[in-house]
Amino acid sequence: DGGITQSPKYLFRKEGQNVTLSCEQNLNHDAMYWYRQDPGQGLRLIYYSQIVNDFQKGDIAEGYSVSREKKESFPLTVTSAQKNPTAFYLCASSGGESYNEQFFGPGTRLTVL
Amino acid sequence: GQQLNQSPQSMFIQEGEDVSMNCTSSSIFNTWLWYKQDPGEGPVLLIALYKAGELTSNGRLTAQFGITRKDSFLNISASIPSDVGIYFCAGLNYNTDKLIFGTGTRLQVFP
Repeated sequence: DGGITQSPKYLFRKEGQNVTLSCEQNLNHDAMYWYRQDPGQGLRLIYYSQIVNDFQKGDIAEGYSVSREKKESFPLTVTSAQKNPTAFYLCASSGGESYNEQFFGPGTRLTVL
Repeated sequence: GQQLNQSPQSMFIQEGEDVSMNCTSSSIFNTWLWYKQDPGEGPVLLIALYKAGELTSNGRLTAQFGITRKDSFLNISASIPSDVGIYFCAGLNYNTDKLIFGTGTRLQVFP
C-alpha cells in the first residue's frame, strides 16, 4: 500500500532531551512537510522540503531541525531549545500532477515530561 | 503565521440533517482543500478545488470555490454518525507556496 508512515505513534521524553520523529513515504512525492497541531488550533508549518537535500523554514521553525537525505524520508528533530514541545506532529507529502494536494501521515503525539 | 477564519467552530446536529461550514480569508487563494480529521489521526483529503466558482462533490459532500477567491464552502448532506470529526479548510496562495489552514469545525452527530 502506498502511503505515509510516522513512528512512533506516542513518544514521551524528559525535558531537555532532543527527540527525532520519523516520517517515511512511498508515494514518490518530491515535497514533504512537517506540521504541529495544538488543541483548538489549525496546523502550523514547521519545515518543508521540495527536493532532496533542500529544505526551508516554515512559520514556527525555532527549536526544530530537519534533514532530507533521501526522497522517501524527512525526519524532524525536536531540540531542547523548543520551549513548548508537547504537541501532535503531522508529516505530509505532495507531488505529481496534484502537487498542491498534501497527504498526511497518522501523526506522532509527543509529550515532554 | 496566517490562519483562515473557519466557521462555525463546532456543530451539534442530529443524524440525517444537512451541514454547512465555510472558510474566509483576507487573501486571494488559487487552491482550496477540505480535510477531515478523526481524533488522534492525520487529516484525510476530501475535496480539492482549483477554479473560482467551481463546485465539486464527493459522495454526500459538496464543496465550492468562492467567486471572490477569498472563501470556500463545504456542505454535508444527510449526516451519519461516521461524519463525526474535525473538518479543516486549507488555502494555497501561489505567492507564498504554502498551505494555510483554518482552525477547524468540530462536528458531532447524534443518532
